[in-house]
Amino acid sequence: ETGVTQTPRHLVMGMTNKKSLKCEQHLGHNAMYWYKQSAKKPLELMFVYSLEERVENNSVPSRFSPECPNSSHLFLHLHTLQPEDSALYLCASSQDLGSLGADTQYFGPGTRLTVL
Amino acid sequence: GQNIDQPTEMTATEGAIVQINCTYQTSGFNGLFWYQQHAGEAPTFLSYNVLDGLEEKGRFSSFLSRSKGYSYLLLKELQMKDSASYLCAVREGSGYSTLTFGKGTMLLVSP
Repeated sequence: ETGVTQTPRHLVMGMTNKKSLKCEQHLGHNAMYWYKQSAKKPLELMFVYSLEERVENNSVPSRFSPECPNSSHLFLHLHTLQPEDSALYLCASSQDLGSLGADTQYFGPGTRLTVL
Repeated sequence: GQNIDQPTEMTATEGAIVQINCTYQTSGFNGLFWYQQHAGEAPTFLSYNVLDGLEEKGRFSSFLSRSKGYSYLLLKELQMKDSASYLCAVREGSGYSTLTFGKGTMLLVSP
């Protein structure tokens, strides 16, 4: 499945580094999402974009900064992270941000982030 | 807010049937999704329920009771490749809405 791709797949960074995660969807969808997946915890929604506009920010610390330059690309810029930010970061997309029918989300494979 | 509960782990044998339960508490329920996630891979969509009853799709079926805040995923004729985490997710609200996920149930299928 190559509908949603993410790079890099693995990232190790120090607390003072700045890095970016990239997500690209090839499905023609209008909505894109960033999730954090930590061990023993549910998927946590971080940010939601619809037609390149941010519509939700779930109280995410400012050390995470999203960017959506167009409807196919989504970035997550990282700076001065903490060790507890180590997790799997998943990107997803859906046709729209509506609430009807089985409009499901398609996930990328994720970036495994380790903060030292 | 929402509270979604599902068992942490389950084990079953190849060829058997297993039922993974999910209970939820929410206002403005607007659909329930099941996803499968193999270790190190992306979650993939399995099923969607918004009305009460059973939805069947090959070896997998999903059931919903809105009055009880309850769903289950039924897997028949288990195969080794079904070993994975199964995520229950609830959509809430109208207008625009997003998904809230449970912690997932890790299913181990043994020979």
